[in-house]
Amino acid sequence: KAGVTQTPRYLIKTRGQQVTLSCSPISGHRSVSWYQQTPGQGLQFLFEYFSETQRNKGNFPGRFSGRQFSNSRSEMNVSTLELGDSALYLCASSLNADQETQYFGPGTRLLVL
Amino acid sequence: QQQVKQSPQSLIVQKGGISIINCAYENTAFDYFPWYQQFPGKGPALLIAIRPDVSEKKEGRFTISFNKSAKQFSLHIMDSQPGDSATYFCAASRDQGAQKLVFGQGTRLTINP
Repeated sequence: KAGVTQTPRYLIKTRGQQVTLSCSPISGHRSVSWYQQTPGQGLQFLFEYFSETQRNKGNFPGRFSGRQFSNSRSEMNVSTLELGDSALYLCASSLNADQETQYFGPGTRLLVL
Repeated sequence: QQQVKQSPQSLIVQKGGISIINCAYENTAFDYFPWYQQFPGKGPALLIAIRPDVSEKKEGRFTISFNKSAKQFSLHIMDSQPGDSATYFCAASRDQGAQKLVFGQGTRLTINP
């Protein structure tokens, strides 16, 4: 079974632009979570989706948003990019809302110049 | 209340030795404690996880020890091998279905041959 896939793997943007990242969960998994990983702040929870509904949201500004489609694929969007948004963005999927085991994708490395 | 504190930040162990990484948490509502292993350029991979109703869980060379009263848990890697060199993260989550993982800051483990 294929793992979690994320596209693109690498991205370079400039301040003020917006970006959309995509995540395809493991086949059959319906819950998708997003995390931001930086050297200074470590791994921080962004948001979690299940059945196209956002169930939890971390402590990030409104510039960070996401959605989930009926096939469980998810996208996250960051608008008005700032230098501090440079990070590895990780997507994790789990089987359902009550399944705690999360499987991570390889991440999208975003560099904001 | 939501923090998970991990130590040490970095660890160097000789091949064949025991690697020990410690984590402490504050929120007594946490009820799931996984450990993740991350290699450069990859997403975190689940190693082993434990719940508060057991004090120890072993899978191969990896053991989690859990002390509920002290609110601490640790990862022991027996017979450490150079291939174990990676960054290790402890994490915690609460409430079945909440999905949000709170991560420690990570430990960079180096196994010298």
